[in-house]
Amino acid sequence: EAQVTQNPRYLITVTGKKLTVTCSQNMNHEYMSWYRQDPGLGLRQIYYSMNVEVTDKGDVPEGYKVSRKEKRNFPLILESPSPNQTSLYFCASRAQRGGIYEQYFGPGTRLTVT
Amino acid sequence: AQSVSQHNHHVILSEAASLELGCNYSYGGTVNLFWYVQYPGQHLQLLLKYFSGDPLVKGIKGFEAEFIKSKFSFNLRKPSVQWSDTAEYFCAVNALDSWGKLQFGAGTQVVVTP
Repeated sequence: EAQVTQNPRYLITVTGKKLTVTCSQNMNHEYMSWYRQDPGLGLRQIYYSMNVEVTDKGDVPEGYKVSRKEKRNFPLILESPSPNQTSLYFCASRAQRGGIYEQYFGPGTRLTVT
Repeated sequence: AQSVSQHNHHVILSEAASLELGCNYSYGGTVNLFWYVQYPGQHLQLLLKYFSGDPLVKGIKGFEAEFIKSKFSFNLRKPSVQWSDTAEYFCAVNALDSWGKLQFGAGTQVVVTP
């Protein structure tokens, strides 16, 4: 089954404790991205990756890092989490067929930073 | 930069009422358009999408949307809602020269009362 998986689904942590949220897709997509969802703001892109070892900042990259060492994986790293990073995070991978792009979203990771 | 605006943040209506959610975007080039739904406690699901062709698009669960290029709009409609349509709805736009980045609206919380 084609899917995007994220782990963990729920995480409560304390300020300053490094954490990683994993994301994996089994569709051989080149493009992957991370979004955060906040009430009244919709989803905003944090980082994206065009391919292995190619990453770039989205709209709200501050406080986050990513890596893309393998095509299927795109982990999101919070080196020193802060309470304003409490949010719902979605990983997505994108299929491209001709000029048509379609994103596939993971189930989300709800992060609480105290 | 492209932006997406959804006209209503909260909508409350009764079962069997008709629903229309407005979405406008600001981008002059070729776009792909999407509506996503997020049921309480669940992840994003694709309701429908427009890439090209017939501007009236039918999606799942009885939803449809109409792309009006001259108005930069992609409004979502459902003739008769059910209690199970209670959810948050997001309009999203992908400009074809933005490498797959989805720009989301802020979302509309829809509550359907029995």
